[in-house]
Amino acid sequence: GQNIDQPTEMTATEGAIVQINCTYQTSGFNGLFWYQQHAGEAPTFLSYNVLDGLEEKGRFSSFLSRSKGYSYLLLKELQMKDSASYLCVLLASGGSYIPTFGRGTSLIVHP
Amino acid sequence: NAGVTQTPKFRVLKTGQSMTLLCAQDMNHEYMYWYRQDPGMGLRLIHYSVGEGTTAKGEVPDGYNVSRLKKQNFLLGLESAAPSQTSVYFCASSSSGGYTFGSGTRLTVV
Repeated sequence: GQNIDQPTEMTATEGAIVQINCTYQTSGFNGLFWYQQHAGEAPTFLSYNVLDGLEEKGRFSSFLSRSKGYSYLLLKELQMKDSASYLCVLLASGGSYIPTFGRGTSLIVHP
Repeated sequence: NAGVTQTPKFRVLKTGQSMTLLCAQDMNHEYMYWYRQDPGMGLRLIHYSVGEGTTAKGEVPDGYNVSRLKKQNFLLGLESAAPSQTSVYFCASSSSGGYTFGSGTRLTVV
């Protein structure tokens, strides 16, 4: 099975940088996603890592270390609209496309 | 617009009533999923389908049934609704990874 651990809640200041960590245990690895979910809305895709290293996309970056079972999402130049839940999503290996969702990190951005 | 469409968006049921939630996607995705999301629990997989005519149980399948008669549609049925099924339901689809979600159905069972 898979197990995902991420902080429940984080707070940060507008304009700052925040790093949301995710650790996982899995018997096989096929990729790791980060999704953003605003309150009352559907999750939306942010990033996908399958190889070790950093993936940068505008203000958002995601890092993966498969040997450590560790990923983080880095948000730069925080804006109020970044207040949302951030979901770490694990895709196990074996030909299955069934993802396992973490419980999400609620990020609160204040002025 | 391409994507995943869920109907209805809101519904209130009385205990024991039945209903069907419809999910439709126009991206020709093979995989479709039904999740429920409850406060503090994250997204939990109810049932999923890897292709037309196939369905499989997820993490929390009890009390639900599904059908995938057409590739683009995935139906979630509640035969006898219970208050414990009060939740927000999300449908999603994918091809080779990367998941597109519908806007959700907020269901209240009283």
